[in-house]
Amino acid sequence: QAVVTQEPSLTVSPGGTVTLTCGSSTGAVTSGHYPYWFQQKPGQAPRTLIYDTSNKHSWTPARFSGSLLGGKAALTLSGAQPEDEAEYYCLLSYSGAVVFGGGTKLTVL
Amino acid sequence: EVQLVESGGGLVQPGGSLRLSCAASGFTFSDHYMDWVRQAPGKGLEWVGRTRNKANSYTTEYAASVKGRFTISRDDSKNSLYLQMNSLKTEDTAVYYCVGPSVDYWGQGTLVTVSS
Repeated sequence: QAVVTQEPSLTVSPGGTVTLTCGSSTGAVTSGHYPYWFQQKPGQAPRTLIYDTSNKHSWTPARFSGSLLGGKAALTLSGAQPEDEAEYYCLLSYSGAVVFGGGTKLTVL
Repeated sequence: EVQLVESGGGLVQPGGSLRLSCAASGFTFSDHYMDWVRQAPGKGLEWVGRTRNKANSYTTEYAASVKGRFTISRDDSKNSLYLQMNSLKTEDTAVYYCVGPSVDYWGQGTLVTVSS
């Protein structure tokens, strides 16, 4: 089974920009992996921010964007807010199976 | 408004069985594939499995950790998704989330505790 890797933790200053990445043990991440990004705050269910690499839901703040960067999926937060402090997970699809990354704990400080 | 409401969680002994249900509303359930995802206490998200829609023959996929023990089914007439869990192990202890359509919406989860 493929392993999906994320940075364990990142810190960003309020108003700053940070990029979280999502890599695959099988090689470069492509749009064919249909990357998803999720945000989870303590005590809450996850919510989906980005689907199919770069598409946003109606509830996704405009400051979040998804892309492919250097062979990985990427989630960029531009203009971080205190409420963006959370755990972020990516998901990749592999011919029917689905694998989550281990999550990135984002601190806004 | 899409709503997913899980039920059926609880305490079960190792080796036991449990059936989770998920009531879906706010979208055309029969058109979409649905997933179960779990989260052990203090841990990350783990995909459990998926059921596809009728157009894709209701085929299912499972994570290696649950294959052969868990079974996902659905009843489109009741807009409901199910997870039958057999031969439960202590490491199956987690909050189980119903997710869909297309991994876009999440229920609030139901806690399953496997302990003697």
